[in-house]
Amino acid sequence: ETGVTQTPRHLVMGMTNKKSLKCEQHLGHNAMYWYKQSAKKPLELMFVYSLEERVENNSVPSRFSPECPNSSHLFLHLHTLQPEDSALYLCASSRGGVNQPQHFGDGTRLSIL
Amino acid sequence: QKEVEQDPGPLSVPEGAIVSLNCTYSNSAFQYFMWYRQYSRKGPELLMYTYSSGNKEDGRFTAQVDKSSKYISLFIRDSQPSDSATYLCAMSPVELGRLYFGRGTQLTVWP
Repeated sequence: ETGVTQTPRHLVMGMTNKKSLKCEQHLGHNAMYWYKQSAKKPLELMFVYSLEERVENNSVPSRFSPECPNSSHLFLHLHTLQPEDSALYLCASSRGGVNQPQHFGDGTRLSIL
Repeated sequence: QKEVEQDPGPLSVPEGAIVSLNCTYSNSAFQYFMWYRQYSRKGPELLMYTYSSGNKEDGRFTAQVDKSSKYISLFIRDSQPSDSATYLCAMSPVELGRLYFGRGTQLTVWP
């Protein structure tokens, strides 16, 4: 596989469930990102990891918990979500260094019941 | 004031038309400018990446940056139905990982 792969592609969960989103990049990059994409709104940066260390946490509620075990894998653990958390969650990766372009996966479409 | 302003459209043009997509921004610190294309049910795909002011051409696509006016454009020549997608502008200051996106412009090219 090449590029950035996200699983699952679709997820429906209740507000009390716990689930995880997975992202894997095959580009040899060492920075990874989580974004939230809602209808009619710009992409919202949630978390940034560089060399497996979190370098940015963009005021995201604690019900979202990221994990980056190595430079190729990124997880977003979800628990006790709210209906307004329904959105497309996108993972991206880039080379290290300033302002290298980011490459995106196809996202996980999350629906909260 | 939003960091990046982009008209969401929708924009509908006939095949073969020249398409002009634009974004304005307020932060004079932005140095890097990107255009992404996003097809339905897919993630954003990087189209163009430029630094500072000037033009960059890649096939049918031309990106322009005017830092004095805080205005960037993407031109698509000889547009094709396969160009139908949402186009996102993004920009960044000299700061690791921080991209500011526009809302995206939805483009339809009809045959």
